Amino acid sequence: DVKVTQSSRYLVKRTGEKVFLECVQDMDHENMFWYRQDPGLGLRLIYFSYDVKMKEKGDIPEGYSVSREKKERFSLILESASTNQTSMYLCASRGRLGTEAFFGQGTRLTVV
Amino acid sequence: AQSVTQLGSHVSVSEGALVLLRCNYSSSVPPYLFWYVQYPNQGLQLLLKYTSAATLVKGINGFEAEFKKSETSFHLTKPSAHMRDAAEYFCAVSGYGGSQGNLIFGKGTKLSVKP
Repeated sequence: DVKVTQSSRYLVKRTGEKVFLECVQDMDHENMFWYRQDPGLGLRLIYFSYDVKMKEKGDIPEGYSVSREKKERFSLILESASTNQTSMYLCASRGRLGTEAFFGQGTRLTVV
Repeated sequence: AQSVTQLGSHVSVSEGALVLLRCNYSSSVPPYLFWYVQYPNQGLQLLLKYTSAATLVKGINGFEAEFKKSETSFHLTKPSAHMRDAAEYFCAVSGYGGSQGNLIFGKGTKLSVKP
């Protein structure tokens, strides 16, 4: 079974902190994604990566950055956390063209 | 660029009734299309996918979807709803790979099933 593992299920951080969300996949997938999920807004793509060190902005990249130094790991960084970044964050990975994406269980981040 | 519109944020049906969840997409290239389901407090699970083979796609749990290029639609149906189908459903579109390989989701449709 494909496994996508997010480092934390729940996180509470203070405004202004630098926050790292980690995601690891074990299927040698080329593509990895970070989304945030908010009620009524669905899943909004923050960034995706199609290869090591390659990244593309999604629909809402402001306030976020990403890092992919190794194929299996994709990190989401909140440079200076703000309360409007309180949300559920979902990581996903996908292999070749047309294949399905597999999701982690999500990290519920609260910024206070 | 790809985009997805799901008509109806909330759909309510009676048990045994037809389920129809609507999805329209926009894509500059022939798309790959997906339906995912999310049960309460769980992750997303693939229901079915269209990848340019048959236009009528069958998925898990009795769901199916039909790709209609002329209507840019990929509506999800199930002939007879069960209580266990109550969940949130997401339609997604993807382009080709590399830098065009993003996967874009709609806002979701929450399905309620009445006894």
